[in-house]
Amino acid sequence: DQQVKQNSPSLSVQEGRISILNCDYTNSMFDYFLWYKKYPAEGPTFLISISSIKDKNEDGRFTVFLNKSAKHLSLHIVPSQPGDSAVYFCAASEPGSNTGKLIFGQGTTLQVKP
Amino acid sequence: DSGVTQTPKHLITATGQRVTLRCSPRSGDLSVYWYQQSLDQGLQFLIQYYNGEERAKGNILERFSAQQFPDLHSELNLSSLELGDSALYFCASSVVGTGITGELFFGEGSRLTVL
Repeated sequence: DQQVKQNSPSLSVQEGRISILNCDYTNSMFDYFLWYKKYPAEGPTFLISISSIKDKNEDGRFTVFLNKSAKHLSLHIVPSQPGDSAVYFCAASEPGSNTGKLIFGQGTTLQVKP
Repeated sequence: DSGVTQTPKHLITATGQRVTLRCSPRSGDLSVYWYQQSLDQGLQFLIQYYNGEERAKGNILERFSAQQFPDLHSELNLSSLELGDSALYFCASSVVGTGITGELFFGEGSRLTVL
């Protein structure tokens, strides 16, 4: 049972354009969402997060939007740069688990072409 | 550098064997999480320890076990290995682990290949 889904395995965009990565979840009780970025041969690193009480969080070129009614979040990267090429994982915090563990999606590989 | 250290980085072994993966969390972090990433799969949660005690269990096989030692390092033991156990195994740590949401800091992973 995949509670966090990233339905697009890959995305290719031109440098300078917007990258939009999508994520859907099934558990309406999830209360915190995070995006991680992973380069080859490295571990995932935290990128940006959003609480369920907000619908938008921005950090520089990165913005995460949350649509609770649709159980959907998206990561916007503007403008995209070749260094953004990586695998992006969406993650959700399990509600009421008292653990802090995260549930991850399958990842989307972003390629930004120069 | 996340501050989380995993060894070994690469491991090749045969079916039926047993291996141990080691993780040293960031200084001060009490919580350790183990995740498995198989080919084309996301990060699957295996198990979590907090200050030496098991806190949460995910889809971890009975052939796998883990522990966290008094110095807070953790080991993931994989036994009776099968071809399907070939994967990247990530360790992550967090200062929290008691329900307060915080980011996880990941190590570089241990790539296990079972032949």
